[in-house]
Amino acid sequence: EPEVTQTPSHQVTQMGQEVILRCVPISNHLYFYWYRQILGQKVEFLVSFYNNEISEKSEIFDDQFSVERPDGSNFTLKIRSTKLEDSAMYFCASSAWGNYGYTFGSGTRLTVV
Amino acid sequence: GESVGLHLPTLSVQEGDNSIINCAYSNSASDYFIWYKQESGKGPQFIIDIRSNMDKRQGQRVTVLLNKTVKHLSLQIAATQPGDSAVYFCAENNPGNLIFGKGTKLSVKP
Repeated sequence: EPEVTQTPSHQVTQMGQEVILRCVPISNHLYFYWYRQILGQKVEFLVSFYNNEISEKSEIFDDQFSVERPDGSNFTLKIRSTKLEDSAMYFCASSAWGNYGYTFGSGTRLTVV
Repeated sequence: GESVGLHLPTLSVQEGDNSIINCAYSNSASDYFIWYKQESGKGPQFIIDIRSNMDKRQGQRVTVLLNKTVKHLSLQIAATQPGDSAVYFCAENNPGNLIFGKGTKLSVKP
């Protein structure tokens, strides 16, 4: 079964450093998403991406965040200057139809120290 | 604001029993709902979905019930197995993204 692949699985970074989280969506999917989950809390929407541009973003997705699809297979989330409160699991998801049929990756656990 | 929430944070059941996990939603205009299972260290895994023009949908050992009158959603798992132990989230399809509830942790006792 097709999978969404995320790397790395764990990332530890110092506060103020930039991090890039990587995702390889399912190959025939056109819609891409980032969500995050702070430990013990619910999964929260960050951003959606379609046709090489951001479709929607939440209040969490401020100027410190950016997304990119640098080639035909990768989808990245960059946090420019990490803060302690950015520590969370970050999930990438993709779908073929936009509103339906999401597939989530296994996540990257980001720890900011 | 609009939100999706869960009634119980934890549920413990005996292996072989049926499990019922509940969810309340507040946006009466929502037209699509999804149940996800999340095992430790993994991403949300799709279980079953339902559109608002239905009130019941069955899968393999799972059934989702939708009561639009009281804006309530439930997930029923038949003959619960140890492998069903996980956190279960309902999610509401806000156009363009998903709104998740906080999750119910299901523990299955052997």
